[in-house]
Amino acid sequence: QSALTQPASVSGSPGQSITISCTGTSSDVGSYNLVSWYQQHPGKAPKLMIYEGSKRPSGVSNRFSGSKSGNTASLTISGLQAEDEADYYCCSYAGSSTPAVFGGGTQLTVL
Amino acid sequence: EVQLVESGGGLVQPGRSLRLSCAASGFTFDDYAMHWVRQAPGKGLEWVSGISWNSGSIGYADSVKGRFTISRDNAKNSLYLQMNSLRAEDTALYYCAKDMAAAAAALFDYWGQGTLVTVSS
Repeated sequence: QSALTQPASVSGSPGQSITISCTGTSSDVGSYNLVSWYQQHPGKAPKLMIYEGSKRPSGVSNRFSGSKSGNTASLTISGLQAEDEADYYCCSYAGSSTPAVFGGGTQLTVL
Repeated sequence: EVQLVESGGGLVQPGRSLRLSCAASGFTFDDYAMHWVRQAPGKGLEWVSGISWNSGSIGYADSVKGRFTISRDNAKNSLYLQMNSLRAEDTALYYCAKDMAAAAAALFDYWGQGTLVTVSS
């Protein structure tokens, strides 16, 4: 049950694009198309931004996109805005006995 | 509107027990798996436990296996977490989260605001 690996921090200027990686193993990210991404602002509950690797829930901006290659999933945010500054977490299904494993989180700073 | 409201947190001594509850509304509760996710102060998210729609499939993180028990009452639209033998490292904000699937798929589309558990003497 090792956590998924994310960079501790990323940054970008308004209008730019950034990508956050999420590396797992063949037992989680690599085996299932069940990766999700969450945005968390300070003092707030997490919010689902991407599910099943690349799908956006209703109401989430199309500036957010997800993808996966092998054991690594990625979240890309285009046209960075100040409001995107937050912590981002990836999560993957990892089997029926311990279904979920989270990444350590990435702090996004909009310069 | 989907609402998840956690309760039952508080200050508890090491080794003691606590029972968390999550009251759900705004969706058909018995159609979905449910989970508990926690966040220690200043730390990241950690999945704690999940339960399928009919309680037929239950899972726990290694860190709580044998000490915590998840359950649900579909008639009361409620999710529970019985926490025994609490340790200082269990101190965290505990979130109730709804899955998008009936069987646990680790896709959390709605979250409560959390209930704080502090384990300290």
